[in-house]
Amino acid sequence: GENVEQHPSTLSVQEGDSAVIKCTYSDSASNYFPWYKQELGKRPQLIIDIRSNVGEKKDQRIAVTLNKTAKHFSLHITETQPEDSAVYFCAATAGNKLTFGGGTRVLVKP
Amino acid sequence: ETGVTQSPTHLIKTRGQQVTLRCSSQSGHNTVSWYQQALGQGPQFIFQYYREEENGRGNFPPRFSGLQFPNYSSELNVNALELDDSALYLCASAAEVPGEQYFGPGTRLTVT
Repeated sequence: GENVEQHPSTLSVQEGDSAVIKCTYSDSASNYFPWYKQELGKRPQLIIDIRSNVGEKKDQRIAVTLNKTAKHFSLHITETQPEDSAVYFCAATAGNKLTFGGGTRVLVKP
Repeated sequence: ETGVTQSPTHLIKTRGQQVTLRCSSQSGHNTVSWYQQALGQGPQFIFQYYREEENGRGNFPPRFSGLQFPNYSSELNVNALELDDSALYLCASAAEVPGEQYFGPGTRLTVT
């Protein structure tokens, strides 16, 4: 089955700096890659997603890149703000099963 | 906030008991997936229902079972509860697969 590895597990950045989270997946049939943000005690919320026919997608301060050949995808957050502090999960979908990475705890220091 | 709701919010059960968790999907969504999220970990896929039929299952034993109703709401049933079943149980609905899944607030289950 699909296996998704996510790094780093924790990330501390200064406000205004960029944050990058990287994920790799194992199943070449995966074709949909969402990123979720989960604040403490709350539900995961989709922040951006990318499909396998696209290499890059951007939404304001957030961007995701996908390298299908290497089976890895990354989340980039620019100009980080304290409200970006949360746990971020990458995920990959092969068929109807969504497999999550282990999560990255991001702390943005003011 | 999404239109997905779950009940109850919190639940405490004793080892060996049975539990039923409920999920109301967002209007227009015919697919519901259930996930188990242990503390400090990512959600783990339990199973998915599409138009009242199970449509995929993760690595969970048969004592985890589910139902989807004609209005697309869903139940997760867990029999013979074990201590390791303590977790946040999330349901998510979707209009298409693969596609954006909208998560409910979760049910926090504690097994003692």
